[in-house]
Amino acid sequence: DIQMTQSPSSLSASVGDRVTITCRASQGVSNYLAWFQQKPGKAPKSLIYAASNLQSGVPSKFSGSGSGTDFTLTISSLQPEDFATYYCQQYSIYPWTFGQGTKVEIK
Amino acid sequence: QVQLQQSGPGLVKPSQTLSLTCAISGDSVSSNSAAWNWIRQSPSRGLEWLGRTYYRSKWYFDYAVSVKSRMTINPDTSKNQFSLQVKFLTPEDTAVYYCARDLGVIYSLDYWGQGTLVTVSS
Repeated sequence: DIQMTQSPSSLSASVGDRVTITCRASQGVSNYLAWFQQKPGKAPKSLIYAASNLQSGVPSKFSGSGSGTDFTLTISSLQPEDFATYYCQQYSIYPWTFGQGTKVEIK
Repeated sequence: QVQLQQSGPGLVKPSQTLSLTCAISGDSVSSNSAAWNWIRQSPSRGLEWLGRTYYRSKWYFDYAVSVKSRMTINPDTSKNQFSLQVKFLTPEDTAVYYCARDLGVIYSLDYWGQGTLVTVSS
């Protein structure tokens, strides 16, 4: 199985901060990489697909980049509603696999 | 607007079979562009993709190897829904189970059900 490793596992940030989360795949996944946001007690919400494409309705403060094995999710200006856990997921090779998550907390 | 509504038991005994259903509105289980997935989440295993089904002139089924021998996904075109069955449950199967749609290999998982907490305990 392809292992997805996110860093950091958690971070503390302030409202207005620029935040970057990285995701590394144990082998190349081309651009078949998605990012999700999850809040407590809720299902994950799709933010980005194909590494850099914003899902419909997702604000442009979210952006993604990367290809192959190394990917990043950036939140340009953190707002109170953005405090959540973020997951990457590869859908290049079965079984599809997820990162362990990055929890973004309020400083 | 696509909506996925899950139903099923919250408590199941060890060795029994779990059955969950995901009712679809705003799309069709037999769509030629969508696929229908089951994913689960637990503190010990994180998010774990279990399998998917899709229709492209015939039905296709893909399963994670780790659960393939115990799991079945069934589409039901008459009710526009799909289901998950997991046999021979153990406490390690305790998790929140989600259904989700994907629009093929480009778009990944875009719509998710609300989740069902399944506890395996006697």
